Amino acid sequence: DQQVKQNSPSLSVQEGRISILNCDYTNSMFDYFLWYKKYPAEGPTFLISISSIKDKNEDGRFTVFLNKSAKHLSLHIVPSQPGDSAVYFCAARVRGAQKLVFGQGTRLTINP
Amino acid sequence: NAGVTQTPKFRILKIGQSMTLQCTQDMNHNYMYWYRQDPGMGLKLIYYSVGAGITDKGEVPNGYNVSRSTTEDFPLRLELAAPSQTSVYFCASTKEYGNTEAFFGQGTRLTVV
Repeated sequence: DQQVKQNSPSLSVQEGRISILNCDYTNSMFDYFLWYKKYPAEGPTFLISISSIKDKNEDGRFTVFLNKSAKHLSLHIVPSQPGDSAVYFCAARVRGAQKLVFGQGTRLTINP
Repeated sequence: NAGVTQTPKFRILKIGQSMTLQCTQDMNHNYMYWYRQDPGMGLKLIYYSVGAGITDKGEVPNGYNVSRSTTEDFPLRLELAAPSQTSVYFCASTKEYGNTEAFFGQGTRLTVV
């Protein structure tokens, strides 16, 4: 039962353009959504989060959008830079629990 | 500031052997977690702890044990290694309940042959 799904295993974007990573979820009890970034041979690092009561959160080049009716989350990176090449994980927290459910990850490659 | 430190980074085990994956954090975080990541899959929660002396099962606890005798340390024990436990293991911590930002260690790549 995959409650958080990232349907695109990989994405390739040209440097300077917008990268859009998508995530779908099924559990209506999620109250927080997060994006983590992972470089090879390193642990994931926190990137940005959004509460279920909001529909947008912005931090520099990174913006997360939440569409609750569609149960869809997206991460926009503008402009994309070579250092953004990594695996991005979407994660969600169940209301009342201090545990995260992760998606499968999307490998983003930024081409010069 | 070391953050979350895991040892070893790599390990090859034979079927039936046992080992302990070490995890320590120096941020005085109450909550600690063990995840495993299989190829092409997201991170699955194995066990977690809400404080010293308190642990609970996650999604995939079978074949593992944990203990939390101190705030800093949260070791993961494999008693009888099986090929299905070949994976990358990540330890993580969060400061307090309600805080969603988790800090992860670098991971332990375990191969069971």
